[in-house]
Amino acid sequence: EDQVTQSPEALRLQEGESSSLNCSYTVSGLRGLFWYRQDPGKGPEFLFTLYSAGEEKEKERLKATLTKKESFLHITAPKPEDSATYLCAVLSTGGGNKLTFGTGTQLKVEL
Amino acid sequence: GAVVSQHPSRVICKSGTSVKIECRSLDFQATTMFWYRQFPKKSLMLMATSNEGSKATYEQGVEKDKFLINHASLTLSTLTVTSAHPEDSSFYICSAASGTTGELFFGEGSRLTVL
Repeated sequence: EDQVTQSPEALRLQEGESSSLNCSYTVSGLRGLFWYRQDPGKGPEFLFTLYSAGEEKEKERLKATLTKKESFLHITAPKPEDSATYLCAVLSTGGGNKLTFGTGTQLKVEL
Repeated sequence: GAVVSQHPSRVICKSGTSVKIECRSLDFQATTMFWYRQFPKKSLMLMATSNEGSKATYEQGVEKDKFLINHASLTLSTLTVTSAHPEDSSFYICSAASGTTGELFFGEGSRLTVL
């Protein structure tokens, strides 16, 4: 059974204070690892897809990296508008077309 | 980018009534749509997978007679919560997979409150 664990559950940063969110996964065979941003009362918003170990993707202040066991979402010099819950999900060879989600990291960036 | 629209965004109903939630892919054809349920501060839990023109595949523990899913066209799937009870109150989210790229897009979610 695919498993996704995200840490920390919650993170509070000062504006400009860089940090990383972790997503550890256990799958039979990874087809893709996804990062989403979710604002309160909204659906997830797609950020990145990573397919193989060593792959990196960047978008504005966010950078996602992938190893064979985990993924990191690095946030550089965050701003208050980056406050949201960040969700990690995996698609595996044994899971059909189903995404398995982690419980997310709730990020709050303060002035 | 591709957009998935859910309607209604919020619904309040009395216990025992049925509620229908629509999920539409606005600018692409979705061969597969997924319905999730999310509790406060919890992850998205997949309820069912629907393919256009065929019966939905429900996850273990999800009552198919309680949560009716219809995927009548390549742009529309509906979730009907039948005889709703307070414990059905939740945030329901749909997602749609592009038939062309396979990319997955999420709707904005529907907050159901059963009194």
